[in-house]
Amino acid sequence: DIQVTQSPSSLSASVGDRVTLTCRASQRVDTYINWYQQKPGQAPTLLIYTASTLQSGVPPRFSGSGSGTEFTLTINSLQPEDFVTYYCQQSYTSPYTFGQGTKLEIK
Amino acid sequence: QVQLLQSGAEVKSPGSSVRVSCKASGGTFSTHGISWVRQAPGQGLEWLGGTIPVLGTVKYAQKFQGRLAITAGASTSTAFMELSNLSSNDTATYYCARDRGQLVAGLDTWGQGSLVIVSS
Repeated sequence: DIQVTQSPSSLSASVGDRVTLTCRASQRVDTYINWYQQKPGQAPTLLIYTASTLQSGVPPRFSGSGSGTEFTLTINSLQPEDFVTYYCQQSYTSPYTFGQGTKLEIK
Repeated sequence: QVQLLQSGAEVKSPGSSVRVSCKASGGTFSTHGISWVRQAPGQGLEWLGGTIPVLGTVKYAQKFQGRLAITAGASTSTAFMELSNLSSNDTATYYCARDRGQLVAGLDTWGQGSLVIVSS
């Protein structure tokens, strides 16, 4: 199975900051990486698919990049509602594994 | 816009089985992949398996081979996940999610989740 590792596990930042979350795959996955946001008590929502394509309705302050084994999710100008948990998922090879998540906390 | 409605919470005994349903309304179903993902309390997301109803394709994570069954009825727009030989480690919220394409394009629509508690 492809292992997906996110870093950091948690990150403290302030409203208005720019942050970058990292996702690494244990083998090359081309650009088959998706990013999700999960708010407490809710199902996840898709933010970005195929590494860099913004899902419809997602604010443009979110962006993704990367290919191969290393990927990033960048959030510009953090808003209060952004302080939740983010997951990446590889969809290159079954099982389509998720990273363990990065929790974004208010500093 | 497609919506996924899952069955309600269940309390099960160790060793038993649970079946969770996921009914789609308001959009296409059979040509998209449907994945099942679970989340144990306070933990991350875990992909269990998925199906592409129109192709009859089913994929399972090796970890669940032999005790997980995923089915889907294209005509009924309903998918099912059945997990057998339950243990306390299976206590989790189980989500169905529709893929933008066929299991590899990103999960763009999620059900509300079905809590399964395994307890003696």
